[in-house]
Amino acid sequence: KQEVTQIPAALSVPEGENLVLNCSFTDSAIYNLQWFRQDPGKGLTSLLLIQSSQREQTSGRLNASLDKSSGRSTLYIAASQPGDSATYLCAPAGVISSGSARQLTFGSGTQLTVLP
Amino acid sequence: DAGVIQSPRHEVTEMGQEVTLRCKPISGHNSLFWYRQTMMRGLELLIYFNNNVPIDDSGMPEDRFSAKMPNASFSTLKIQPSEPRDSAVYFCASSFGVSEQFFGPGTRLTVL
Repeated sequence: KQEVTQIPAALSVPEGENLVLNCSFTDSAIYNLQWFRQDPGKGLTSLLLIQSSQREQTSGRLNASLDKSSGRSTLYIAASQPGDSATYLCAPAGVISSGSARQLTFGSGTQLTVLP
Repeated sequence: DAGVIQSPRHEVTEMGQEVTLRCKPISGHNSLFWYRQTMMRGLELLIYFNNNVPIDDSGMPEDRFSAKMPNASFSTLKIQPSEPRDSAVYFCASSFGVSEQFFGPGTRLTVL
């Protein structure tokens, strides 16, 4: 059974800092990995999807890396802003034998606060 | 596209009552997922459908939970009878095949 750990559980930084969120998973046989953000009382917003064959994926100030063999992914946020304050969730996708869908397993998230 | 639509957004009910949560996936998506989020257990997959067919319901906690997808644009998650420990936020998500999943805003369920 896939287990996902996210470190740190909470992080508070001043505006403008670059930061790294870490995700580790126990089963390296993943199809891809998705990073989400969740604002308080809201749903999940997909940030980045990184395929198992990729090493990195970038979107604006966000960069996700994946080392499948070691079971690790990182989310790098450049020049953080107060609007980045949210909980960030990592979710590797398991391989489904039918190939028709994939099952996400979520970490408990990193709660980020960016102070103005 | 309006994204994944869920209703109701909030539901408060009494123990023993039947609860039905509804989901409309993004048009064109052929996979639909139901998740539950609690403080204690985080986000857990309950069941997912592919082309309207349930593929894996091993995450459904008990027989009190059931889910249906009668057509490509509608799914329900039913709890009967509901219990206080079912209180959680229930999310529906959809995707096209193995592409990224998009989540709805969730239904916050409170069972008194």
